[in-house]
Amino acid sequence: AQSVTQLGSHVSVSEGALVLLRCNYSSSVPPYLFWYVQYPNQGLQLLLKYTSAATLVKGINGFEAEFKKSETSFHLTKPSAHMSDAAEYFCAVSVHNNDMRFGAGTRLTVKP
Amino acid sequence: DTGVSQDPRHKITKRGQNVTFRCDPISEHNRLYWYRQTLGQGPEFLTYFQNEAQLEKSRLLSDRFSAERPKGSFSTLEIQRTEQGDSAMYLCASFGLNSYNEQFFGPGTRLTVL
Repeated sequence: AQSVTQLGSHVSVSEGALVLLRCNYSSSVPPYLFWYVQYPNQGLQLLLKYTSAATLVKGINGFEAEFKKSETSFHLTKPSAHMSDAAEYFCAVSVHNNDMRFGAGTRLTVKP
Repeated sequence: DTGVSQDPRHKITKRGQNVTFRCDPISEHNRLYWYRQTLGQGPEFLTYFQNEAQLEKSRLLSDRFSAERPKGSFSTLEIQRTEQGDSAMYLCASFGLNSYNEQFFGPGTRLTVL
């Protein structure tokens, strides 16, 4: 079965600094990969998704992620953090049966 | 609003009571998913429907939990004899044929069992 591991339950950056949130996946077949963001007491909002087209995926709010098959990774980056980026971020994987598996999440804190 | 909606947004109940949550998916989506999210964790899959058929249930879904989607549109999730361990956010998501496996999430129902 597919799974994801998010390295680092909490990441803290300064405003304007690079954001890097790490995600490694495990899947026996080519996966679909997703990053979702969750603000307090809200549902999940899709940031971006990899669907076997381009390996570098651009999402909303300036985020992007690169699919690296050799490293089984799908890390999320943003060149310059904004205070409004503070939230919980979840990496997820699904395969053909659409059963989506989520990581434990990474809480991003942005310091002024 | 054409997104996924859930009702209620918050529910506080006493241990032993029954609760029911409702999810209205995006209208053209044939698949509907329920997840449970506890504090500090990612969502955990509970069950999903394709149209009105319930196709998969997680072992997390004990016999106190039941879900229905009687007409292939909205779905309900009922928890009987609630326990404090049931306190969590219950998320619903829907999926359509052209979604590239993307699931669209509702705002969730936060359940607190006292």
